[in-house]
Amino acid sequence: GAVVSQHPSRVICKSGTSVKIECRSLDFQATTMFWYRQFPKQSLMLMATSNEGSKATYEQGVEKDKFLINHASLTLSTLTVTSAHPEDSSFYICSARDRETGMGKLFFGSGTQLSVL
Amino acid sequence: AQTVTQSQPEMSVQEAETVTLSCTYDTSENNYYLFWYKQPPSRQMILVIRQEAYKQQNATENRFSVNFQKAAKSFSLKISDSQLGDTAMYFCASRTLYNQGGKLIFGQGTELSVKP
Repeated sequence: GAVVSQHPSRVICKSGTSVKIECRSLDFQATTMFWYRQFPKQSLMLMATSNEGSKATYEQGVEKDKFLINHASLTLSTLTVTSAHPEDSSFYICSARDRETGMGKLFFGSGTQLSVL
Repeated sequence: AQTVTQSQPEMSVQEAETVTLSCTYDTSENNYYLFWYKQPPSRQMILVIRQEAYKQQNATENRFSVNFQKAAKSFSLKISDSQLGDTAMYFCASRTLYNQGGKLIFGQGTELSVKP
């Protein structure tokens, strides 16, 4: 099956620093990638939708200047948490849509646990 | 707007028995998909089963089957012959085909414990 690689799997940073999370589709081209955030024992909350070559669409309540998303190629999308604070500590997951298989299939990365001290 | 509701925060079942997880959804779209995902302690999202809304026949995948009631907007998951490895969080999700960018919206989740 299709593989989505997400790195890093875990990151600890100091308050005020920026952290970049990468999401790569390894064996398919992903025109659309989605970024989710998950707090412990809670559901996955969609943060934004990124389309290759265009600006990301953010969900209501998500600060676009705080969570910068770049989808510069068909295999890579990045999420940068700028000036991270302890309340940004969370589990971040990406998912990617395979351009060839159409709307039905999404593939998930393994997630990134961000801890801001 | 799409919404997905799971009203059972926790469920438990004895090994080898059958359990049903409930899910209701709301959408104004005619074309959409419904999913059940499993999230074990590793937190990797695993697709359990998928249902296309235009198909009347309920999807099945080995021990997993769904009861899709389109008019009632209900989409329950039945796990037969439960195994210890089925212990996980289960999320119901919906996805429109065309509008809203095809985004996947999740329910609140049900934590399933399979007891030996």
